[in-house]
Amino acid sequence: GAGVSQSPRYKVAKRGQDVALRCDPISGHVSLFWYQQALGQGPEFLTYFQNEAQLDKSGLPSDRFFAERPEGSVSTLKIQRTQQEDSAVYLCASSSRASGNTGELFFGEGSRLTVL
Amino acid sequence: QKEVEQDPGPLSVPEGAIVSLNCTYSNSAFQYFMWYRQYSRKGPELLMYTYSSGNKEDGRFTAQVDKSSKYISLFIRDSQPSDSATYLCAPSDDYKLSFGAGTTVTVRA
Repeated sequence: GAGVSQSPRYKVAKRGQDVALRCDPISGHVSLFWYQQALGQGPEFLTYFQNEAQLDKSGLPSDRFFAERPEGSVSTLKIQRTQQEDSAVYLCASSSRASGNTGELFFGEGSRLTVL
Repeated sequence: QKEVEQDPGPLSVPEGAIVSLNCTYSNSAFQYFMWYRQYSRKGPELLMYTYSSGNKEDGRFTAQVDKSSKYISLFIRDSQPSDSATYLCAPSDDYKLSFGAGTTVTVRA
């Protein structure tokens, strides 16, 4: 596709449920990022992939958060046993650059998660 | 204290006004400075990209970086209603962006 595609756009989960959020980056983009954006705040870094390798997962808030990109294209962010504080917009971004400053990040529209 | 502090806003200005947006940061390793624009319920999109200190102009937009004072600015000249959005500063030292909280700007027609 022409841009970064994320699904679902909206997800409501009951506390304790597991959720999976999908990201389809721009075709051929090597770098893929996940960011978390709470209401009224800027995006916060979660994790970074270069192709299928997860090079940085320092921003994942707890071991309930898990991300993968097994074939170096589509990525999934999984949140286990969701808590109310997990409610946020989860943004996926991709870049064509592989190292150093990745320059322009192209963001998807995000997956808005609400945990009741 | 957050790594990047951004003037909170919101700002409401009449069409044609100059909009001034500012951020300060604490990490002296930052050398790439981006401004992203985010419309409601959309993902951020890159507006300006600057490497190191100095000014960069692109049409009605000017980005300024002063690394000695760790101060980042974005100016919008001749503001238009279509400029109404949230503006996020995002400095970086490598691949990881550190976003400010954003300033929401409304340009009144």
